[in-house]
Amino acid sequence: KAGVTQTPRYLIKTRGQQVTLSCSPISGHRSVSWYQQTPGQGLQFLFEYFSETQRNKGNFPGRFSGRQFSNSRSEMNVSTLELGDSALYLCASRDSSTNEKLFFGSGTQLSVL
Amino acid sequence: AQSVAQPEDQVNVAEGNPLTVKCTYSVSGNPYLFWYVQYPNRGLQFLLKYITGDNLVKGSYGFEAEFNKSQTSFHLKKPSALVSDSALYFCAVREGGTDKLIFGTGTRLQVFP
Repeated sequence: KAGVTQTPRYLIKTRGQQVTLSCSPISGHRSVSWYQQTPGQGLQFLFEYFSETQRNKGNFPGRFSGRQFSNSRSEMNVSTLELGDSALYLCASRDSSTNEKLFFGSGTQLSVL
Repeated sequence: AQSVAQPEDQVNVAEGNPLTVKCTYSVSGNPYLFWYVQYPNRGLQFLLKYITGDNLVKGSYGFEAEFNKSQTSFHLKKPSALVSDSALYFCAVREGGTDKLIFGTGTRLQVFP
């Protein structure tokens, strides 16, 4: 099976722009979650989706949003980008019926200039 | 609130020697604990988990972890370190019923030849 796929791998944006990141989970996985990784704040939970429904949300401003499609693919969007949004954004999927562990993608490295 | 702490930013060990990466936790109820490893420019890879059962958990790549309830610790161990084990290691606790992982700050393991 293919792993969790995130696109694009790298992004460079300027302040005030918006960005959309994409995540394709492992085939058959219906749970998708997103994390932000920065040197200062470490790994922080953003959202969790299951069957197109957001089940949990981390402590991030409303500029951060996400969604999940019927094929379990997920996108996250960040509007009005700030310099502090520069980070590695990681997506993870889980087989909710059998498995406790999360499988992570390689991430999207976002740089905001 | 649930949390994990990794008291060491970096651990240095010679190849062939045993290694320990420390983690302590603070949770209400039964802890769901995980170790993940991150190689440069990559996402996180699952090593092992503790949900319930034996206090000694065996995982991938020869790693194991010892769950100690009285000391609220979940230290990662390996009997004989390899240079290829050099990476960033994260301890995490899962909030019950969700995919939200709360990560420690990470410990960089450096194995010297």
